[in-house]
Amino acid sequence: NAGVTQTPKFQVLKTGQSMTLQCAQDMNHEYMSWYRQDPGMGLRLIHYSVGAGITDQGEVPNGYNVSRSTTEDFPLRLLSAAPSQTSVYFCASRVGGPMAEQFFGPGTRLTVL
Amino acid sequence: GENVEQHPSTLSVQEGDSAVIKCTYSDSASNYFPWYKQELGKRPQLIIDIRSNVGEKKDQRIAVTLNKTAKHFSLHITETQPEDSAVYFCAATLLNNDMRFGAGTRLTVKP
Repeated sequence: NAGVTQTPKFQVLKTGQSMTLQCAQDMNHEYMSWYRQDPGMGLRLIHYSVGAGITDQGEVPNGYNVSRSTTEDFPLRLLSAAPSQTSVYFCASRVGGPMAEQFFGPGTRLTVL
Repeated sequence: GENVEQHPSTLSVQEGDSAVIKCTYSDSASNYFPWYKQELGKRPQLIIDIRSNVGEKKDQRIAVTLNKTAKHFSLHITETQPEDSAVYFCAATLLNNDMRFGAGTRLTVKP
């Protein structure tokens, strides 16, 4: 199993550009989520999904969109990139409810100029 | 809003000493408390977790304690080794499937 994979590993955008961060998992996990990690602030939940076709907002959803058309994939879209979105983005998945172990992807380092 | 506070932000110990990291949470409905270790440039990885019906859990040199009344939980690492050097994050789940993380503790174990 590849586990949780993310692409790209690094990305540089200009303010106003849009892009999609890809996340995939091959563990048949129902729950997937996106976090951003900023220095001194830990990880903050952006959006999450409890299954295909179901998404919900986390702590910091503004400026991001998600969709979940399949169990395996959970892309994160930046609609109009801003310098405040410069961060490391982690995708994660778990098999079921909130007490299941969460597995993280390798991360995407995004810089917005 | 709901949050998790973590202390200290940095911790330096001598190899072989113990390290303790403490977290407090605000949502009394939280019932799952994982701890993650993150090495430089790597992804967070679960090292131990505890559920609200348990007061203490141990796995070799690592232990976690939970006080639900006081709403705090702690990570204890005994006989520290240089490879324990990393950033450690605590977290707590909320009723709506959200998970809140502490800001992290950078642990340095000096050989």
